[in-house]
Amino acid sequence: AQSVTQPDIHITVSEGASLELRCNYSYGATPYLFWYVQSPGQGLQLLLKYFSGDTLVQGIKGFEAEFKRSQSSFNLRKPSVHWSDAAEYFCAVGLPTDSWGKFQFGAGTQVVVTP
Amino acid sequence: EAGVVQSPRYKIIEKKQPVAFWCNPISGHNTLYWYLQNLGQGPELLIRYENEEAVDDSQLPKDRFSAERLKGVDSTLKIQPAELGDSAVYLCASSLGGGAGELFFGEGSRLTVL
Repeated sequence: AQSVTQPDIHITVSEGASLELRCNYSYGATPYLFWYVQSPGQGLQLLLKYFSGDTLVQGIKGFEAEFKRSQSSFNLRKPSVHWSDAAEYFCAVGLPTDSWGKFQFGAGTQVVVTP
Repeated sequence: EAGVVQSPRYKIIEKKQPVAFWCNPISGHNTLYWYLQNLGQGPELLIRYENEEAVDDSQLPKDRFSAERLKGVDSTLKIQPAELGDSAVYLCASSLGGGAGELFFGEGSRLTVL
């Protein structure tokens, strides 16, 4: 079955430390891949996306993600976390339909940043 | 440029009452989505519109939920009657469609059913 998996429900990281959030997908072909961030009481904001080409993509707020076809993964990283990065992070895939208009989201990873 | 606008932000109703949510997408975005987000979970698609046509409503519980997108711009999502399990955040998103990919989300409408 087609799926998007974020194995970590909750991650706690110290401010200034590095962060890596995992995302795995299961689809017949390589979908479009996205990472979104959601702060409390807010909608989702796009951090970065991968359609094709360079497998290391840069996003906003100092985030980057690496697409690994062999592992069906699209992990999100940040070298040095700031307190404002505390939020929920969602991996999403765009499915190959007629218009690529269908998206599926993972369950999310809650990131807590400690002083 | 204005983003996706949703209203109301918060709504508290008693079960069996009706409720409606409104969404105004980004100007020029042909594709509009309604997502349901339960606490601690990712958004789940309820319905997707391409202009005024509902092209994917397979996850919409049609016995109590309805949606419309008149003139291919604003959209309304209605629940009648509401049940306790409908308490959630209802997110509206829009995109250019046609493979452009990126979704732009509104801030959501949080529904509490008592």
